[in-house]
Amino acid sequence: LAKTTQPISMDSYEGQEVNITCSHNNIATNDYITWYQQFPSQGPRFIIQGYKTKVTNEVASLFIPADRKSSTLSLPRVSLSDTAVYYCLVVPRSGTASKLTFGTGTRLQVTL
Amino acid sequence: DVKVTQSSRYLVKRTGEKVFLECVQDMDHENMFWYRQDPGLGLRLIYFSYDVKMKEKGDIPEGYSVSREKKERFSLILESASTNQTSMYLCASSPLAGVTEAFFGQGTRLTVV
Repeated sequence: LAKTTQPISMDSYEGQEVNITCSHNNIATNDYITWYQQFPSQGPRFIIQGYKTKVTNEVASLFIPADRKSSTLSLPRVSLSDTAVYYCLVVPRSGTASKLTFGTGTRLQVTL
Repeated sequence: DVKVTQSSRYLVKRTGEKVFLECVQDMDHENMFWYRQDPGLGLRLIYFSYDVKMKEKGDIPEGYSVSREKKERFSLILESASTNQTSMYLCASSPLAGVTEAFFGQGTRLTVV
């Protein structure tokens, strides 16, 4: 499984755009990039997933360059409620069951 | 709504006790996972299972075992609880195919005294 590296923590003010970059140099051809969000005292929840280029949903956007060795989670105009830990995972596309390895994530603190 | 239910939100056990943490999912998912979460260490995978009676070790299986007798239920067992197993335990489930989201339970905060 490809190892991921992301910043330990980030700070932002409310209303700003936040970009969290994840490095996954050893990503395999059939791997997808997946991001989860975890609020205090809750289990993580899936927010977005992509294979290449750009994916957008109601929560976030995910940018993946052509070489796929990194990805950037973009949160537009964050609010206090976006304070959470964000995890980047690399997941095989299909077939064999795979363990989901979360790591330490990026702790985002949003303030007024 | 997908639901992953962990049997207890908080649990206090004594050192040396045998502890069972239960997890039930209602979405007919093949994969189930047990993690522990400690400050500064993120989520660490203990065991996962991709089918009934099948199990695979995660990154930190020592001191734990698991049981999956039915598809919807995945149990984590601490054979002889120790204080260093005090932690938040999280269960998750997902369909077999890798590129699908995993759903988590609310967690069990276990304290071993």
